[in-house]
Amino acid sequence: EAAVTQSPRNKVAVTGGKVTLSCNQTNNHNNMYWYRQDTGHGLRLIHYSYGAGSTEKGDIPDGYKASRPSQENFSLILELATPSQTSVYFCASGQGRFAETLYFGSGTRLTVL
Amino acid sequence: AQSVDQPDAHVTLSEGASLELRCSYSYSAAPYLFWYVQYPGQSLQFLLKYITGDTVVKGTKGFEAEFRKSNSSFNLKKSPAHWSDSAKYFCALERDSGGSNYKLTFGKGTLLTVTP
Repeated sequence: EAAVTQSPRNKVAVTGGKVTLSCNQTNNHNNMYWYRQDTGHGLRLIHYSYGAGSTEKGDIPDGYKASRPSQENFSLILELATPSQTSVYFCASGQGRFAETLYFGSGTRLTVL
Repeated sequence: AQSVDQPDAHVTLSEGASLELRCSYSYSAAPYLFWYVQYPGQSLQFLLKYITGDTVVKGTKGFEAEFRKSNSSFNLKKSPAHWSDSAKYFCALERDSGGSNYKLTFGKGTLLTVTP
């Protein structure tokens, strides 16, 4: 069973602070993704990666950075958090082929005050 | 531009009834289509996907979906529905982002409530 682990599960941050969300996968998948889920928007892609050392901008990258230091780990970084970034963030991994199945982590609920 | 539309934000039905959740898409190329499910308090799980071939695809948990090119739809079905099917369902379209890399575009989701 594919495994994707996110940390922390919940996070409260202050406006202007730096936030790092972490994701680890043990599936040896090439592709990793960060999505945010908001009511009325479904899931929207923030950043993604095709392998260690690579990051690509998704559909809503503004205000976010990503880091993929290894095959297993993919981080999402909010350098200056804003209340508009309050959301639930999901990490996912996939094998990197067409029609790949994504395996999602349990999510991180971020509140920016 | 590619897009996925799930026109029903919320569907309620009684246990034992047939369920059909609607999904339509817009994409200029041959679509790869998916359904994912999110149970309350949980993450998303893969249900099924359409790549090519048979227009009715079967997935996990007794679900199936029918691809109809004529009206650009990929509706999810199950009969009978069970109260444990209560969840949020997402339709997704895989699009070519260049260099043989693909990304998913998700619909906004349909919240299904099955009453006992």
